[in-house]
Amino acid sequence: DTAVSQTPKYLVTQMGNDKSIKCEQNLGHDTMYWYKQDSKKFLKIMFSYNNKELIINETVPNRFSPKSPDKAHLNLHINSLELGDSAVYFCASSLAAGELFFGEGSRLTVL
Amino acid sequence: QKEVEQNSGPLSVPEGAIASLNCTYSDRGSQSFFWYRQYSGKSPELIMSIYSNGDKEDGRFTAQLNKASQYVSLLIRDSQPSDSATYLCAVRNAGNNRKLIWGLGTSLAVNP
Repeated sequence: DTAVSQTPKYLVTQMGNDKSIKCEQNLGHDTMYWYKQDSKKFLKIMFSYNNKELIINETVPNRFSPKSPDKAHLNLHINSLELGDSAVYFCASSLAAGELFFGEGSRLTVL
Repeated sequence: QKEVEQNSGPLSVPEGAIASLNCTYSDRGSQSFFWYRQYSGKSPELIMSIYSNGDKEDGRFTAQLNKASQYVSLLIRDSQPSDSATYLCAVRNAGNNRKLIWGLGTSLAVNP
C-alpha cells in the first residue's frame, strides 16, 4: 500500500562502482522527481519527469542518468560513484504542479 | 539573496505552547506554498498547502500567507514533543510550474 516506494533503502559501495535506485508510485500521479539531500539537509532537485518526458534537469553530473519507462516509475542510475555522491536520494511524485509526496529515501554511502 | 529563507533554529518551545515558524520568499510571482515536516532520518511529509492570502487551519496547524509581504508562516498550537522535527517551507513560482524552491528548514524542539 506504500504510495511512493524506493528500492533499495540502503546502498554501500566503493568509489568507481555503478548503482541504480528504483522508484514506483501508485498514486496515479503524472509527475515524478529525484531529490538529493546531503549532510547539510538541503533538498536539491535533480530531475523531474512528466508523463515520461524530462522537464527538469538541474546541473547534475552526467554520471547521473534518470529513466522513466512509464509515468508510475522513475529510476536513477549513477556511474563511477564518487565520495561526494554520498547522500539520501528521495523520489517524489505529484499530480501536475500539486503537492509532492515522497518515498522513504535511499541512503547511499560511497567508501 | 536566497530564494526561500527560513530561520534554521533551533526553535525551542515548551509543551503546550504555540510554535511559530516563518518563511520569506523572493519571487513575487509565487503561486503555491507548502509546509513539510521531516523527522530525523525520515522523508519530508506534507503538513499544509496554501494558495491564497489569509489563514488556513487544519487541526493544530495554521498556515498564514501574506503575498504583499512575501512571507508564509506555520503556527502549531498546543505543541507536543512529537512535533519536534525540521519544518521545511517550499514555494512554487509561476515560471517553473513543477519546480519547488525549498528553504533550508527550521529545527523545532518541543520540551516536555
